[in-house]
Amino acid sequence: GAGVSQSPSNKVTEKGKDVELRCDPISGHTALYWYRQSLGQGLEFLIYFQGNSAPDKSGLPSDRFSAERTGGSVSTLTIQRTQQEDSAVYLCASSFSLNTGELFFGEGSRLTVL
Amino acid sequence: AQKITQTQPGMFVQEKEAVTLDCTYDTSDPSYGLFWYKQPSSGEMIFLIYQGSYDQQNATEGRYSLNFQKARKSANLVISASQLGDSAMYFCAMREGHKLSFGAGTTVTVRA
Repeated sequence: GAGVSQSPSNKVTEKGKDVELRCDPISGHTALYWYRQSLGQGLEFLIYFQGNSAPDKSGLPSDRFSAERTGGSVSTLTIQRTQQEDSAVYLCASSFSLNTGELFFGEGSRLTVL
Repeated sequence: AQKITQTQPGMFVQEKEAVTLDCTYDTSDPSYGLFWYKQPSSGEMIFLIYQGSYDQQNATEGRYSLNFQKARKSANLVISASQLGDSAMYFCAMREGHKLSFGAGTTVTVRA
């Protein structure tokens, strides 16, 4: 499809395990965002990538969280030593331009830490 | 401090009536953008409408209109002629530079 693709759609893991979440943005979109949404809550900014510029990591909640974007396309969000409070839906979004501001969101990866 | 404030956690509206969702924002940046997104129970985020800080006229997109009051720093969403399919969570968001900040959301339930 032509939309933002995220995988896995659902992930159940045990506390202390590492997880990787993948985002494949829309082709040609230079901006990529990761957000976290806890149940019934708003979206919490995590990290932003724009082209080859240094990413804005200011939203990452702890050093257990990291993300990379290879070749300006696919991005991976890694959570090490998962905790129960990491349980949330992780949303990826991409954009060609922020002038109109429309971010195209993926369907999210629902993470459950037992 | 909250960048985006949505004071209505939930609202009920009768089908075919209009509903206004409140949103106030806080920024000292003269250039910013304001957005509304819809999130149905399926979880997808659907872009509805955009208003730039320098736009002179209120944005409209079909049944959606944004009541932009710059001096009051408010950007309320008006949904006219509500439909059952409008039942969803609605998020107001503000762009400053590259960062897009979201409010806590308002749940709208349309009654038949």
